[in-house]
Amino acid sequence: GQSLEQPSEVTAVEGAIVQINCTYQTSGFYGLSWYQQHDGGAPTFLSYNGLDGLEETGRFSSFLSRSDSYGYLLLQELQMKDSASYFCAVLGSLTGGFKTIFGAGTRLFVKA
Amino acid sequence: NAGVTQTPKFQVLKTGQSMTLQCAQDMNHNSMYWYRQDPGMGLRLIYYSASEGTTDKGEVPNGYNVSRLNKREFSLRLESAAPSQTSVYFCASSAGTALAKNIQYFGAGTRLSVL
Repeated sequence: GQSLEQPSEVTAVEGAIVQINCTYQTSGFYGLSWYQQHDGGAPTFLSYNGLDGLEETGRFSSFLSRSDSYGYLLLQELQMKDSASYFCAVLGSLTGGFKTIFGAGTRLFVKA
Repeated sequence: NAGVTQTPKFQVLKTGQSMTLQCAQDMNHNSMYWYRQDPGMGLRLIYYSASEGTTDKGEVPNGYNVSRLNKREFSLRLESAAPSQTSVYFCASSAGTALAKNIQYFGAGTRLSVL
């Protein structure tokens, strides 16, 4: 089967750093993605890790360890606008193409 | 640049009514997807179309049908709506290759209530 686990909620202070962890179990693993979703909005792509290590995109970084089936999203210099839900998602193979399985999401609250 | 366009944005149905959710993308993507999102939950795949002319079931296909009308359009039909289908529905598209990381681009969503 396939499963992803991530914390349901995280609270942090503006200007701080927060890490959102994700562990997964899947077959045919290609990579781990992160998506952001603001309340009432659509998910938008943030980052992707196909290989072990750290990927950095501005204030956001994402890490993957394939051997540990583990990844995290690191948000630095938190801003109020970062309050949103963050989904980790594994990319795997399926009939004729690829599928992305989403975790249940981590709701991030940024406090002033 | 429209990206992924879903219609309608909101819909209220009575139990037993039918309706079709429309989705179109202008990014020349091969793959298209329909998800539902319930409060406090992630996105659950209903159906997907890996390429034009093909459709396959996802995690929660019961009560739904789909049509990949052409490369641009992928519709989702509820034949006999049930209250359990009250949800937010998202259509997404992707290039459909691992090289492209299968990055998915989402429509704005359809908020459906079944009474």
